[in-house]
Amino acid sequence: DAGVTQSPTHLIKTRGQHVTLRCSPISGHKSVSWYQQVLGQGPQFIFQYYEKEERGRGNFPDRFSARQFPNYSSELNVNALLLGDSALYLCASSLVRVAYGYTFGSGTRLTVV
Amino acid sequence: AQTVTQSQPEMSVQEAETVTLSCTYDTSESDYYLFWYKQPPSRQMILVIRQEAYKQQNATENRFSVNFQKAAKSFSLKISDSQLGDAAMYFCAFISNFGNEKLTFGTGTRLTIIP
Repeated sequence: DAGVTQSPTHLIKTRGQHVTLRCSPISGHKSVSWYQQVLGQGPQFIFQYYEKEERGRGNFPDRFSARQFPNYSSELNVNALLLGDSALYLCASSLVRVAYGYTFGSGTRLTVV
Repeated sequence: AQTVTQSQPEMSVQEAETVTLSCTYDTSESDYYLFWYKQPPSRQMILVIRQEAYKQQNATENRFSVNFQKAAKSFSLKISDSQLGDAAMYFCAFISNFGNEKLTFGTGTRLTIIP
């Protein structure tokens, strides 16, 4: 079975631009979450989706949005990029409940210049 | 709100020796889960071990074990017979069994294995 796959692996954007990050969960996993990991820190929760509905949102501005598709894949969108949005964006998937922990992808490294 | 604290930014251990990484957390809830994740340079977060708060028995996974002290809100990770492949960032994480399924992470401990 393939793990959690994220694309692209790296990208560079200019301030003010928009970016879309993509995530495919493990087959059978219906829950997808997004985390932002700034260099030197632990990941911070951005969104959680389950069965295409938003179940949780972290303390991030409205420039951040996400959605989950019928096949349970997900997109994270960030508008009006700021230098401070430079980070590793991690996607994680799980079965119904997270009691057994999330499985993470290898992330997308976003650099804003 | 829950918080997770890892007070050791860096640790090092000789190969084949034992090392303990510390983690404390703060919560008013009684039903939750605790995890240790490993993040090697490949960036992927790998689940090392999990602990259910309502279980008193400490979790063990091969060379990895935890010391879970619920009253003290402490959750340390012991790595026995350290191997070169154990070198990574280690993150302690908390998740409540209620509300949104959000993992709260600590700031991490960088573990170096000395050959």
